[in-house]
Amino acid sequence: AQSVTQLDSHVSVSEGTPVLLRCNYSSSYSPSLFWYVQHPNKGLQLLLKYTSAATLVKGINGFEAEFKKSETSFHLTKPSAHMSDAAEYFCVVNNFNKFYFGSGTKLNVKP
Amino acid sequence: DTAVSQTPKYLVTQMGNDKSIKCEQNLGHDTMYWYKQDSKKFLKIMFSYNNKELIINETVPNRFSPKSPDKAHLNLHINSLELGDSAVYFCASSQTSLSYNEQFFGPGTRLTVL
Repeated sequence: AQSVTQLDSHVSVSEGTPVLLRCNYSSSYSPSLFWYVQHPNKGLQLLLKYTSAATLVKGINGFEAEFKKSETSFHLTKPSAHMSDAAEYFCVVNNFNKFYFGSGTKLNVKP
Repeated sequence: DTAVSQTPKYLVTQMGNDKSIKCEQNLGHDTMYWYKQDSKKFLKIMFSYNNKELIINETVPNRFSPKSPDKAHLNLHINSLELGDSAVYFCASSQTSLSYNEQFFGPGTRLTVL
């Protein structure tokens, strides 16, 4: 069975400080993993994806994520938060073309 | 050019009515999806079509009927609308022939049932 757990429903950081959004997955196989961002009243935009190449994946807007098979984790990080990063973030697992979404983490960025 | 487009963007209607949402993708993808996002932002897959054939149908009431006239279009028709159908509906597409394909999402249709 496949599932995705986003450990924090809300994360609040100050502008300029690091961001950490946590994601754990369970999968019987080697999955593809994605992070999507959804800004208010917008559709979902791909931030980055893991496709079994390098375990550290760089995405858009300075975000990156590290695939750790031993920990079944795919946490999303950014060294310095910007006000425009405030949004909902979704971790997604793809196994055999079926996508499993986490419940989302709302990132709040304080000035 | 918009990759995945949906119409309408907003839809307000009365209980009991029938409505349709249209989706089109110009990416040449062979698989399309419909998702429902509730007020808590949880995304639930409803349907998936591959080359016009239904491949995923996730315990959705049969008031919801997807139709795929060709692989670039996947429309969603909803009969006898209920209050609980109020949500944002997202269409997405992907290319299943690629090993590590991601989904591309449309902008969403906000459905409000009064």
